[in-house]
Formats: sequence, structure tokens, C-alpha cells
Amino acid sequence: GAVVSQHPSWVICKSGTSVKIECRSLDFQATTMFWYRQFPKQSLMLMATSNEGSKATYEQGVEKDKFLINHASLTLSTLTVTSAHPEDSSFYICSARVFGTGPETQYFGPGTRLLVL
Amino acid sequence: EDKVVQSPLSLVVHEGDTVTLNCSYEVTNFRSLLWYKQEKKAPTFLFMLTSSGIEKKSGRLSSILDKKELFSILNITATQTGDSAVYLCAVITQGGSEKLVFGKGTKLTVNP
Repeated sequence: GAVVSQHPSWVICKSGTSVKIECRSLDFQATTMFWYRQFPKQSLMLMATSNEGSKATYEQGVEKDKFLINHASLTLSTLTVTSAHPEDSSFYICSARVFGTGPETQYFGPGTRLLVL
Repeated sequence: EDKVVQSPLSLVVHEGDTVTLNCSYEVTNFRSLLWYKQEKKAPTFLFMLTSSGIEKKSGRLSSILDKKELFSILNITATQTGDSAVYLCAVITQGGSEKLVFGKGTKLTVNP
């Protein structure tokens, strides 16, 4: 089956630093990748939709200058949390849609736990 | 605003029990409803439902959708400790941005 990886799986950083999270589709091409955030005991909330070769589409309330998304190839999207603060501590999950399939076909990565001190 | 509400938020049962998890939704232009199982990491896909009244089944798990009453249920029979997880319900709408709108999930704990 389709496999999506994320790196790193967890990261601890100081307030004010930037953190980059990678999302890769290992055995398929993904023209569309999604980035979600999940706070404890909360649902997955879509942050942005990333299409290969174009600018990401951010959900309402998500700061595009703070959460930089790059989708430069068909197998890699990156999320950079710039100037991270403790309130950015969360579980970040990406998903990838298989090229040519509907929105239901999303494969999720294992997630990245971010803790900002 | 599209909304997905799951109940109960948490549930503790003993092995062998049968459980029913609920998911109701209010969305414009419904397309499909999906159930996922989330253990410590990323969600894994269980079912996709698009038509009312047609039960989807996989082993001890089954699910059905009622588009008139705008809800779905997920049944797990003869529960096992390995069923302990958070079960997420998500809805996709048609047209515009086809994104997954998730509920908060039901945390199921199955005790031996």
C-alpha cells in the first residue's frame, strides 16, 4: 500500500527558532499533500493544502507567513514553523493524495510531535 | 460552517463487549463520510460511506450511513484490547475545496 513518511518524528526546540518538517510519499506520486495539526484531545484540523509546483492554500486562521509550506516535487512537501512559540506545540500530520484519485484517497504520515520550550 | 460531532467522547468497555460509536454531521454538499482508527500516530483508514443504508463490514467492524438523519455509526463486536484507539469520523463535501472535516474522535479503551 501507499506509504507516507514524516521526518522528524518528534522535535524539541527553543522558543524563537524555526523547525522544518518533511513529508514524503515513498512509493507513489502525490500532486496534493495536506498538513494537519492536532492539539491534545482535539480533532485533526486542516492547516493547508499543498499542490506541487504552486502556492499552498491556507485555511482560515492559519498564518501563511508563520507556517511556510513548500511542495517542490511530486514526493516531498515541507512545513516550516517559523519563530516557534510554546503555543505551536502540537502534533503535525501530513497526508498525501494519490495522483488521479479523489479526495477520499489520502494516506497519512506518522506525524511529528513538536514541543516548543 | 461544516461540523462533525462524535459521541461519546470516550468509552471504556471489557473485552468481548459490543460498542457503537456515533457520528453526526452538518455540512453543505455532502460527498462522503470516512471512519479512521488512530492509535498513537497517524489515522488508518477503516471505511468510506457514500450511500444511505448500505452497511460496510470488515471483520468485527461495521458501519452504516443515514443521509436523511445525517449520521453514521461504527459498530465493533467482540471487542479486543487491540481495538483500543481513538476512532475518528470525517466528512468530505462536494465542490469547492474537497477537504476532510474531522470530528474530535471517540477514545475507546478495551480492558481485559
